[in-house]
Amino acid sequence: EVHLLESGGGLVQPGGSLRLSCEASGFTSSTHARSWVRQAPGKGLEWVSRISASGDTTDYADSVRGRFTISRDNSKNTVHLQMNSLTVEDTAVYYCVIRMATPQGYDYWGQGTLVTVSS
Amino acid sequence: DIQMTQSPSSLSASVGDRVTITCRASQGISNYLAWYQQKPGKVPKLLIYGASTLQSGVPSRFSGSGSGTDFALTISSLQPEDVATYYCQKCDSVPYTFGPGTKVDIK
Repeated sequence: EVHLLESGGGLVQPGGSLRLSCEASGFTSSTHARSWVRQAPGKGLEWVSRISASGDTTDYADSVRGRFTISRDNSKNTVHLQMNSLTVEDTAVYYCVIRMATPQGYDYWGQGTLVTVSS
Repeated sequence: DIQMTQSPSSLSASVGDRVTITCRASQGISNYLAWYQQKPGKVPKLLIYGASTLQSGVPSRFSGSGSGTDFALTISSLQPEDVATYYCQKCDSVPYTFGPGTKVDIK
């Protein structure tokens, strides 16, 4: 069974940094792109970032480009999201997502990890 | 970047009603569109991909249509368990932008 487990969320001050991780199990994630989607409290879904299966290609939403870095360790089936220069607008639940068995859309989601940016 | 809009932003309908939510892309995206359902306090769930293909396990009362810039999600007979917020997402190229969501309640 496919399972995505996020970790690393918490409370951080504005301007601070945080590193999220997402460990995949139940499949070999090295053959799949990995992505992050976030949801601010009471708000809608926002696509954040994507990394290709090999790790050669990364993409970012305009709102995080230059501050966030996505990376992966295929030996550990894990993807990371390094978040720097955090602002209150980055407060959200961060979901690790993957497109496994469908040609479009994210068919598997983690439970999410909450990042709170506040002084 | 292509922008995604949805209408209405919220709706209230009776059990058994036919409900339609629309999603519009600011530029054509062919059929590269997905729909998600997020129930209160839960993780989003993929309902439809390719604009009209039902994800495995999703009840047949859900259907999707459209291509290019205009898309629709239809619930043929609204059920109490369908109370949720529904999001569309463009899937043609990054950024894979989501629509703002449509909240569906029971009247």
